[in-house]
Amino acid sequence: ETGVTQTPRHLVMGMTNKKSLKCEQHLGHNAMYWYKQSAKKPLELMFVYNFKEQTENNSVPSRFSPECPNSSHLFLHLHTLQPEDSALYLCASSPVGPGELFFGEGSRLTVL
Amino acid sequence: KNQVEQSPQSLIILEGKNCTLQCNYTVSPFSNLRWYKQDTGRGPVSLTIMTFSENTKSNGRYTATLDADTKQSSLHITASQLSDSASYICVVNSGYALNFGKGTSLLVTP
Repeated sequence: ETGVTQTPRHLVMGMTNKKSLKCEQHLGHNAMYWYKQSAKKPLELMFVYNFKEQTENNSVPSRFSPECPNSSHLFLHLHTLQPEDSALYLCASSPVGPGELFFGEGSRLTVL
Repeated sequence: KNQVEQSPQSLIILEGKNCTLQCNYTVSPFSNLRWYKQDTGRGPVSLTIMTFSENTKSNGRYTATLDADTKQSSLHITASQLSDSASYICVVNSGYALNFGKGTSLLVTP
């Protein structure tokens, strides 16, 4: 148990669906992140939130829409995704800045 | 361009044997280097952190080394166990961004 909880763990959706991934951290951290993990590729940073303000958007397509209502919760809203978006989406938190990341167990997304 | 290269890409060893994983980087400036372990179906977990002044650090059966001059790090696993089967990811911190390697997939067989 890392203190970072992601739901759902698995998600299958069609290209016209709208779904959301949820992340909650119980560590009192001020920074939260979304990463994409694809086979044989390094983790790709998608979004960074510090003190619930978005500080980085790593050129992510608009079909991915993040939301951070407070420092403990982070969402990733998904809309009209493509099959190449199928991947493991990892949420992470850290006290502040690029230090040790505490990851959730990930949401495995399959886009049909 | 900041890069982190890990080798080998995958490795199979017998239980009880030792192994060494490599991480070469071109990241600059350098703040620190972490090794993460990612079990199948789980998120990565930090094993150890190496700062500029540290050459070697142990965490149980895991020993990490760092040569900041040649920009190389290694993770040595002693007396491997089945539970060591995982992906091991090297992450280099430049102070303002994290740079990830692709990972080494280790399989320990009985």
